[in-house]
Amino acid sequence: AQTVTQSQPEMSVQEAETVTLSCTYDTSENNYYLFWYKQPPSRQMILVIRQEAYKQQNATENRFSVNFQKAAKSFSLKISDSQLGDTAMYFCAFISGTYKYIFGTGTRLKVLA
Amino acid sequence: NAGVTQTPKFRVLKTGQSMTLLCAQDMNHEYMYWYRQDPGMGLRLIHYSVGEGTTAKGEVPDGYNVSRLKKQNFLLGLESAAPSQTSVYFCASRPGGAGEQYFGPGTRLTVT
Repeated sequence: AQTVTQSQPEMSVQEAETVTLSCTYDTSENNYYLFWYKQPPSRQMILVIRQEAYKQQNATENRFSVNFQKAAKSFSLKISDSQLGDTAMYFCAFISGTYKYIFGTGTRLKVLA
Repeated sequence: NAGVTQTPKFRVLKTGQSMTLLCAQDMNHEYMYWYRQDPGMGLRLIHYSVGEGTTAKGEVPDGYNVSRLKKQNFLLGLESAAPSQTSVYFCASRPGGAGEQYFGPGTRLTVT
């Protein structure tokens, strides 16, 4: 079965510092996509970044970047220059040839002033 | 362009009552999904649809039914609500391929 594991239920970081959120997944598929979603207190789910498994280059989106290790089945999210607005739940998600996304249980990130 | 909308945003039901949650998207997406979100459990897939007139079961389908009579709408029904169905419900849609999902704002349902 395909699974996504986020082993850090809660994390905190000082404003302007860098933080890394961990995500591991398990699949026998070779072609798949990985995502990080952000859920602020407003509850709206917002896409942060996506990574195609066939691409070796790590995806970046402004202050957000990933460290994608395909062999290790690891997909961590790095947030640089953390801002108060980054305070949110962060979910790692995976989709392969099926139509279904698999979500991790989330990491609650708090950015401290 | 409203994206994905959900109706209602909040609802309180008594045990045994029924209700329907409506999800609508105006992006002409093929795929639509219903999730529930509970503390510490992430998002769990209830039902999904790969196109108009089709539905399929997800991870936690018991106690729910769905219909997709029109491409833009995906309805989630609770025939006889139970306290275990107290949750936040999210609808999502996406185009073909493996693109990201677009989420609605969620519906908070409380069953007493």
